[in-house]
Order: sequence, then structure tokens, then C-alpha cells
Amino acid sequence: DAGVTQSPTHLIKTRGQQVTLRCSPKSGHDTVSWYQQALGQGPQFIFQYYEEEERQRGNFPDRFSGHQFPNYSSELNVNALLLGDSALYLCASSSTTGEGYTFGSGTRLTVV
Amino acid sequence: EDQVTQSPEALRLQEGESSSLNCSYTVSGLRGLFWYRQDPGKGPEFLFTLYSAGEEKEKERLKATLTKKESFLHITAPKPEDSATYLCAVHRYTGTASKLTFGTGTRLQVTL
Repeated sequence: DAGVTQSPTHLIKTRGQQVTLRCSPKSGHDTVSWYQQALGQGPQFIFQYYEEEERQRGNFPDRFSGHQFPNYSSELNVNALLLGDSALYLCASSSTTGEGYTFGSGTRLTVV
Repeated sequence: EDQVTQSPEALRLQEGESSSLNCSYTVSGLRGLFWYRQDPGKGPEFLFTLYSAGEEKEKERLKATLTKKESFLHITAPKPEDSATYLCAVHRYTGTASKLTFGTGTRLQVTL
């Protein structure tokens, strides 16, 4: 049973560029959440998608946007990248019928 | 606003030297408290969910307990392979979605 799959694993971008990160949820999960984890910090909630809609957003600017597809997979887009956007981006999937969150291995984004 | 504080920030133990990690929290409407293990550069790995004060869960050398304001992760006779960052998070429903709020973690190093 495949867990949460994220791609790419590593990415280097230049300030001002745009980036798209991808996530395939665990089989049976219909909800996807995205988190940003800076070095030495705990993960910070970005937003959650369910039924192809953004349901809740954390304290992140509009430069961060997302999408969920009919197969429950999701994308995180970040525009106008800043050096401070360098972090590990984590995708977590869950089910509305359960309480567990399963995390992927993350995408390490470096902005130079 | 939900708050999670973990202590200590870092802990160094010798193999076999038992200890406890602390997670204190403030949240309105707690749905559950999660413990995760995270290895460097990887996503969080689920350990336990606790739902109500007085609840305890065990897995190998780890035991998690919950009170109304704190959770403890007890590590009995640790081994070097237990070295990792341990994260706790509170789970809350927001009406339209659910989210996890994490602490900054405790970095555990177990030496021979």
C-alpha cells in the first residue's frame, strides 16, 4: 500500500521564480494538507484541500496557492520566490472518516 | 490561537538511560494529540495519537501519556537508533477543515 508520494525530492530555484510541488495521497485518503518546515522548526500549516477546494489556510501570503484534482492528488504553487521560502515542504494526507495524518518525505526547496 | 511548546529542545542520552520529553499545549477543542518521529531530511513518521486525559499508549521503548495541559513521551532504555527529532502536534477542527499545530520538536541523540 503506497504511502504519500511527493515530487520532486529536491529543487533549486532563483529568487522571483515560480515553483510547483506535487503530492499523491495515501490510498483511501481524500484530504491533502501542506506544511512548510524551516530548518530547526516544526512544520507550519499552509492550507488544506478537500473535494477540490481550499478549506482552511494558515498564515501564508497569496503567493502560496494550491489545487486538488479529482483523483485527490494535489499541487502547491509558490510565486515570486523569496530566499525565506527555502524549506522542506511536506504533504500530509488524511481521510474525513479517520483521524490519522500520513506525511510524505517532503520536497526540499532551496531559493538562491 | 493554538500553542504547542516542547522541552527540552535537545537531549543527549547514553544507551539505556531512560528519560521523558515534554509537550505542553493550549488549544480550544482538542481532537487529539499526535506524536511523530522525524529523521533528518525526512517527513514525520507517525507514532501515537492520544485523545483524552489519562490515556496512555506504548510502542516498543516508547510510551506516551496525556493530561489536560501536557503530554509526555517516555523513552525507556533507549538505543542509538532512537536518535531523531520527536514532534508533538495538536489536532483541531476549525469548522470547515482540520489542522495540526506542531511544536518545534526535541532533538534526541542516544550514544553508546
